[in-house]
Amino acid sequence: DIQMTQSPASLSASLEEIVTITCQASQDIGNWLAWYQQKPGKSPQLMIYGATSLADGVPSRFSGSRSGTQYSLRISRLQVEDIGIYYCLQAYSAPRTFGGGTKLELK
Amino acid sequence: QVQLKESGPGLVQPSETLSLTCTVSGFSLTSYNVHWVRQPPGKGLEWMGVMWSGGSTDYNSALKSRLSISRDTSKNQVFLKMNSLQSEDTTTYYCAREGTGDFDYWGQGVMVTVSS
Repeated sequence: DIQMTQSPASLSASLEEIVTITCQASQDIGNWLAWYQQKPGKSPQLMIYGATSLADGVPSRFSGSRSGTQYSLRISRLQVEDIGIYYCLQAYSAPRTFGGGTKLELK
Repeated sequence: QVQLKESGPGLVQPSETLSLTCTVSGFSLTSYNVHWVRQPPGKGLEWMGVMWSGGSTDYNSALKSRLSISRDTSKNQVFLKMNSLQSEDTTTYYCAREGTGDFDYWGQGVMVTVSS
């Protein structure tokens, strides 16, 4: 199974700050990587697909990048509505696997 | 528009079998894969299994012995059955449609508690 190691597990940042979350895949998954935001009591919401493509309706301050088997989600200027838990998902093969999640809080 | 909705019992007895239904609209089960994902309270997301558009299935190896996923395309429904439930199976269960590799639409989730 492909392991997705996500870091950090938690992150405290200030408004307007740049935030970066990473996921390391245990093997090559190409661009088959998605990022999700989840708020309390809600279903996960797709933010980034194909490692770098912005999902519909997602603000342009979000971006995704890839370097080899390391994937990053970047929020260029943190806003209050960005607070939540973020997960990566590898969609390269079954079984699909999620990262452990990053809890993003306001400092 | 695309919608998925999970339904099932909120409470299941230990050692009993859980049966959930994912009712979809706005797309065809023969064109899109539908996955099941669960999330224990306060914890992360766990992939459970998938009903591929062609009708085959794949399962999380940790759950494979207890899990079965099936569908009724005429009713636009995907079913999850898991037996021998224990307290650690107390979670929110989601079904999700697979878009271009990602899960682009999710149901609202159904919370299931395993307790006597």
